[in-house]
Amino acid sequence: GAGVSQTPSNKVTEKGKYVELRCDPISGHTALYWYRQSLGQGPEFLIYFQGTGAADDSGLPNDRFFAVRPEGSVSTLKIQRTERGDSAVYLCASSPGSGEQFFGPGTRLTVL
Amino acid sequence: GENVEQHPSTLSVQEGDSAVIKCTYSDSASNYFPWYKQELGKRPQLIIDIRSNVGEKKDQRIAVTLNKTAKHFSLHITETQPEDSAVYFCAASWNSGYSTLTFGKGTMLLVSP
Repeated sequence: GAGVSQTPSNKVTEKGKYVELRCDPISGHTALYWYRQSLGQGPEFLIYFQGTGAADDSGLPNDRFFAVRPEGSVSTLKIQRTERGDSAVYLCASSPGSGEQFFGPGTRLTVL
Repeated sequence: GENVEQHPSTLSVQEGDSAVIKCTYSDSASNYFPWYKQELGKRPQLIIDIRSNVGEKKDQRIAVTLNKTAKHFSLHITETQPEDSAVYFCAASWNSGYSTLTFGKGTMLLVSP
């Protein structure tokens, strides 16, 4: 079946701009996670949804970052006033609730 | 919060040798420990996981062991092949149902033919 998909695969933007990153989870998976991966590091947790609500947003670095999942399926990660330090690969994962998390291919964000 | 340490950062082996990657965790409440393989530019792929109610799990050439007392777990790959070359990440979470994962920094495994 179809895995987790993310769009766009690459996003180049200028400092100060607004970006949206999209995640389509595996159908039927109730949990959705966002992680950020910098070069040479493991993924770092940002925010997690159970259904439509954010169950844990403790990983969001500041209030420029926001995510939504209005219908309990697709999620959008939104970054306002982007900074060069936001450059990273943003990974989305979904889970059926048994613990396993399945990752998407990521969106590589570059802030110039 | 949870902290996961992973060693070594790089590991080079000859084809056919075994490879062992070790991780330690800090939160004794953690009870789910997955391992991911990530090839360059690709998504992390779940290759094996273990829960705290077992000490060892094996899947063909891959095995994972868990020592809850010492708070460490290890990935063992036998009969390594060039296609095993990748970055491997260990992770831990405190709820094997719904919970965020804390990852180690990764081990780059290079298998030479």
